[in-house]
Amino acid sequence: DSGVTQTPKHLITATGQRVTLRCSPRSGDLSVYWYQQSLDQGLQFLIHYYNGEERAKGNILERFSAQQFPDLHSELNLSSLELGDSALYFCASNSFVGDTQYFGPGTRLTVL
Amino acid sequence: GEDVEQSLFLSVREGDSSVINCTYTDSSSTYLYWYKQEPGAGLQLLTYIFSNMDMKQDQRLTVLLNKKDKHLSLRIADTQTGDSAIYFCAERGATNKLIFGTGTLLAVQP
Repeated sequence: DSGVTQTPKHLITATGQRVTLRCSPRSGDLSVYWYQQSLDQGLQFLIHYYNGEERAKGNILERFSAQQFPDLHSELNLSSLELGDSALYFCASNSFVGDTQYFGPGTRLTVL
Repeated sequence: GEDVEQSLFLSVREGDSSVINCTYTDSSSTYLYWYKQEPGAGLQLLTYIFSNMDMKQDQRLTVLLNKKDKHLSLRIADTQTGDSAIYFCAERGATNKLIFGTGTLLAVQP
């Protein structure tokens, strides 16, 4: 158990819908990273937040957005969902930006 | 560009050693990592190596780094059926994001 929690574990929804994925970092960690794992793209970095501020963006679609709240948990919002958004979404956290990243169990999103 | 490559599949017999290879492109990477993913599970950090090291040993795991060739390997000694999983190497790129390889599926035959 890495200490990073993600909810929900599974999510099934329809095209065009909007979902919110939630991540709670390890106690004391200020950084949260989001990654997407899909069959065709592999594991891709989406976005990084540090203490409430966006630090870096990767291959994140404009339909996707994220935020980190004052209690340090983070949410990834996915809207206008398409079949190709079906994937495993992981968040990771670390205590300082150069530290090892510890991953949560992931949220499996299925878009029908 | 950013590209980390791994072979897709490795099959070994229980008790043998496994060697999983990885090549990366960013010579400025300071840390390189190995993660393990079991079916339906998240990514478990196995070990990491700092770029100024050639080798790191941690119980049954040995990491070798050839910085000149940008080649990283993970050796698992006395491989067990519980080691069957997908293994990802990753480099820490600019902005501290992790750049992952394609993953190597390790199948351990009893």
